[in-house]
Amino acid sequence: GAVVSQHPSWVICKSGTSVKIECRSLDFQATTMFWYRQFPKQSLMLMATSNEGSKATYEQGVEKDKFLINHASLTLSTLTVTSAHPEDSSFYICSARVGAGANVLTFGAGSRLTVL
Amino acid sequence: AQSVTQLGSHVSVSEGALVLLRCNYSSSVPPYLFWYVQYPNQGLQLLLKYTSAATLVKGINGFEAEFKKSETSFHLTKPSAHMSDAAEYFCAVSEIGANSKLTFGKGITLSVRP
Repeated sequence: GAVVSQHPSWVICKSGTSVKIECRSLDFQATTMFWYRQFPKQSLMLMATSNEGSKATYEQGVEKDKFLINHASLTLSTLTVTSAHPEDSSFYICSARVGAGANVLTFGAGSRLTVL
Repeated sequence: AQSVTQLGSHVSVSEGALVLLRCNYSSSVPPYLFWYVQYPNQGLQLLLKYTSAATLVKGINGFEAEFKKSETSFHLTKPSAHMSDAAEYFCAVSEIGANSKLTFGKGITLSVRP
């Protein structure tokens, strides 16, 4: 079946540094990928929709310059958290739509970011 | 606009007992509905989906859900809980269409007692 690989699965960084998270579709092409943020014991909040070859579409309240998204190929989208601060610590999950028709998403395993 | 309501944050059942996780939705158009499961520190896995075909939907791991338009509900059930069912469960809704966004409920934690 369709697999989405996310890397790294966890990362610890110092405040002020930038962190890149990769999301790959392993056995299918994904023209659209989605980036979510999940706080402990809470639901997933859609941050942005990543479109291959074009600019990402950000949800209201999400800082574009803070969370840089690049979707340079049909199998790779990256999320870069720039100048990270402790409040950016969270679980970030990417997903990709599989096939046409029903809106089924396949999710990556998530990346836990801790900013010290 | 669409939304999902999952009442309560935690459900605890005994092993072998019925599992019932409630989900109510709001949508201005006919929806697609989904249940996802999340194990600790992992992504989400699709349990089942309703896409305007049969109202009773069977999914993986013995779970099923019934779409009731009159009640705007899509409750998840499993006749007999297993210890491995302990996880976080999310109900989600989207509009019909390949490019519609998914809106998630806040999730329910299922605990299974031996």
